[in-house]
Parts: sequence; C-alpha cells; structure tokens
Amino acid sequence: EIVLTQSPDTLSLSPGERATLSCRASQSVSSYLAWYQQKPGQAPRLLIYDASNRATGIPARFSGSGSGTDFTLTISSLEPEDFAVYYCQQRRLWPRTFGQGTKVEIK
Amino acid sequence: QVQLQKSGPGLVKPSETLSLTCSVSGYSISNGYYWGWIRQPPGKGLEWIGSIYQSGKTFYNPSLESRVAMSVDTSKNQFSLNLTSVTAADTAVYYCVRDRPNGGFDPWGQGTLVTVSS
Repeated sequence: EIVLTQSPDTLSLSPGERATLSCRASQSVSSYLAWYQQKPGQAPRLLIYDASNRATGIPARFSGSGSGTDFTLTISSLEPEDFAVYYCQQRRLWPRTFGQGTKVEIK
Repeated sequence: QVQLQKSGPGLVKPSETLSLTCSVSGYSISNGYYWGWIRQPPGKGLEWIGSIYQSGKTFYNPSLESRVAMSVDTSKNQFSLNLTSVTAADTAVYYCVRDRPNGGFDPWGQGTLVTVSS
C-alpha cells in the first residue's frame, strides 16, 4: 500500500502567518491527492482534491500543489478558524490511505 | 445537497459484530459513485475501512478484509458496514462518506463513537 508521510507533525504559527504543510508518498500517486481539515469534535472537511483543486466553498487562502510523490498545502494567511489538524489522502491505488496528520496550532 | 446519516449502536460487546447503516439523502445511490466507511480511534488519525460501488463491487482495507463486509441497498438508498469479531482496538468514531471518482471523500456523515466493551 502507499504510505503517506506528513511533515511537520505540529506547526506553531500566529494568525496572519503563512502555513506550509508537506505530504510525501512512498510511490507516485500522480495528482490523485486530497487534503482535509479536521477541527475537534467534527468530521473532516474536504479542502483540496486532485492535488490543486479547491472543493466547493473553500476559501482562496487554501491552495494545493505538487504531483508524483511530493505535495504541499499552503494557507496564505492563517485565520483563527484555520487552527486544526490537516490530513492528506491518496486515491491512486487501493487501499485508500491517509497521512498521519499535521496539527496547526496557535503560537 | 447530499447528506449522509449514520445509524447503529454506540456500544458493542467484544467478539460480536459491529453493524452500521448510512442513509443517503439528496442523491440516488443508483446513479453511481463509491460509498465508504472511515474510522478514527480516539486521539488518533483516520483509517479507511472500505468502499462499495452502487453495483455492489467492494474494496476493503487489507488490514480488516477478513472481518469486513459492506453492502448497498439501492431501494432504501442506504449502504451498510458489518465488522465481525470486534475487540477494544475497534473502538473508534465511524464515519460514512461519499467516495468521489473525481477526487476526495465528500461529504462526510456525522461521526459517532462506537465503543467495544463488555
């Protein structure tokens, strides 16, 4: 199965700062990578699909890039509601797999 | 707007079968898409359990494949999960999702904790 490794595990930033989250795949997933945001007590929410496409209703400050094995989720300027855990997920091959998550916390 | 509503017990005894059903509104399962189950143990990350197509074709997580069965009932617009021989390690929040062919799990049903305990 394809293993996804996210880095860093925790990112400590202040509102207004830029957040850069990484996801690396153990083998190529082409562009078949998604990003999710999860807040405490809530279900995850789809942010980005197929590496760079924003899901419906997702603000433009969220952007995704990459292909093959290396991917990045960028939040251009952190809003208070963006502090959460972020997961990447691939659909290139079965089984679907997730990264372990990156927590973006307030510094 | 597609909505998913999960139902099933919140407590299951060890060695018994965990059974959950997800009812879909706002979209007919017969029209396509994969439909899936994902779980999250308390304080941990997300684990994909499996996905089922409207035809009944299934894909399962190899780590659970021997204990998992999924089914779809297009007449009721529902899909279901059975997980047999559960242990405390199966305690988790279980989510039902639409598994989109053009990318991503969306939407997600509400998650509720299923506890395995005697």
